[in-house]
Amino acid sequence: DGGITQSPKYLFRKEGQNVTLSCEQNLNHDAMYWYRQDPGQGLRLIYYSQIVNDFQKGDIAEGYSVSREKKESFPLTVTSAQKNPTAFYLCASSSVRPFVYDTGELFFGEGSRLTVL
Amino acid sequence: GENVEQHPSTLSVQEGDSAVIKCTYSDSASNYFPWYKQELGKRPQLIIDIRSNVGEKKDQRIAVTLNKTAKHFSLHITETQPEDSAVYFCAASKPGNTPLVFGKGTRLSVIA
Repeated sequence: DGGITQSPKYLFRKEGQNVTLSCEQNLNHDAMYWYRQDPGQGLRLIYYSQIVNDFQKGDIAEGYSVSREKKESFPLTVTSAQKNPTAFYLCASSSVRPFVYDTGELFFGEGSRLTVL
Repeated sequence: GENVEQHPSTLSVQEGDSAVIKCTYSDSASNYFPWYKQELGKRPQLIIDIRSNVGEKKDQRIAVTLNKTAKHFSLHITETQPEDSAVYFCAASKPGNTPLVFGKGTRLSVIA
């Protein structure tokens, strides 16, 4: 069954602790993304990666870090430097199409809700 | 960078009526405009998209229109049904597999 799996679904952490959110896909997609969703704020891009061992900052990268050691995996670490980490985090993937002009369809995971106490 | 504005933020319609959600974008280089639907507690899913070489696209009760000159695009849902109730996001991206920039979303409520 192909798709994107995020874990954990819910996560509680104390202020000052780092936390890592997992994202795994078996769609053979080259590109992966992390978005943050807050009420009334839409989906804001944190980081993205179009190829293994390479990634770029999005609009709100401060306080976050990522790695892309495998094509299937794109974990997100929320560090203690993130001032307001309580949010819903969505991972997505898409195919990179070298001869087509646009991003194409994003496939999203079910999300991880992080609450910092 | 690209900025996408979406209106209204909330919309209530009677079942069977039409709903229209509008978005504007800032970067004239953007060429891909998808719409995503997020039902309560679920992941966003693509419902329709349009590319800059097309002015309108329809899929059953859903249609999207694009005005490149004015830099705005709209989602039209006809004969709305309760299952259309969700948050809808518009987005835009530029050529070259660049990431999507999303609007802030519209919460649509269809009242039976």
